[in-house]
Amino acid sequence: DIQMTQSPSSVSASVGDRVTITCRASQGISSWLAWYQQKPGKAPKLLIYDASSLQSGVPSRFSGSGSGTDFTLTISSLQPEDFATYYCQQANNFPRTFGQGTKLEIK
Amino acid sequence: EVQLVESGGGLVQPGGSLRLSCAASGFTFSSYSMNWVRQAPGKGLEWVSYISSSSPTIYYADSVKGRFTISRDNAKNSLFLLMNSLRAEDTAVYYCARRMTNAWRAFDYWGQGTLVTVSS
Repeated sequence: DIQMTQSPSSVSASVGDRVTITCRASQGISSWLAWYQQKPGKAPKLLIYDASSLQSGVPSRFSGSGSGTDFTLTISSLQPEDFATYYCQQANNFPRTFGQGTKLEIK
Repeated sequence: EVQLVESGGGLVQPGGSLRLSCAASGFTFSSYSMNWVRQAPGKGLEWVSYISSSSPTIYYADSVKGRFTISRDNAKNSLFLLMNSLRAEDTAVYYCARRMTNAWRAFDYWGQGTLVTVSS
């Protein structure tokens, strides 16, 4: 199985800050990577697919990059509604696997 | 509007069975592959199972293989997960999630989830 490792596990930041979350795959997954945002008690929401494609309706302050084994999610200027937990997920192989999550908290 | 609505969760004893359903609307259900993803209380996301649009291709996580069965009824726009031999570690919110169309593989729509609690 492909292991997905996110870092950091948690991060504190302020409104307006730029934040970067990284995700590393245990083997190459080409660009088959997605990023999701989850708020407490809610279902995950797709932000980025194919490593860098912005899902329809998602604000342009979210961006993704990377290929192979190393990926990043960047939020260019944090807004109050962005405080949530973020997950990466590989879609190269079955079983699909998720990172452990990164909790983005208000500083 | 795309909607996925799960049902069938509840409290079940260890070793028991439960059948989850996911009712789909707002899109051509028969054209999309579907997944089940679960989340134990306070934990991260765990993919559970996949079924292709016309049911010939199915995958399971090792943790549920041999105990869970995914199926779908395209005529009724419904996805199912039959869970047998349930264990305490199966306690989680179960989400159904649609795979994006064509070449893309991410999950673009999710239901609100249904809670399964396995406890005596």
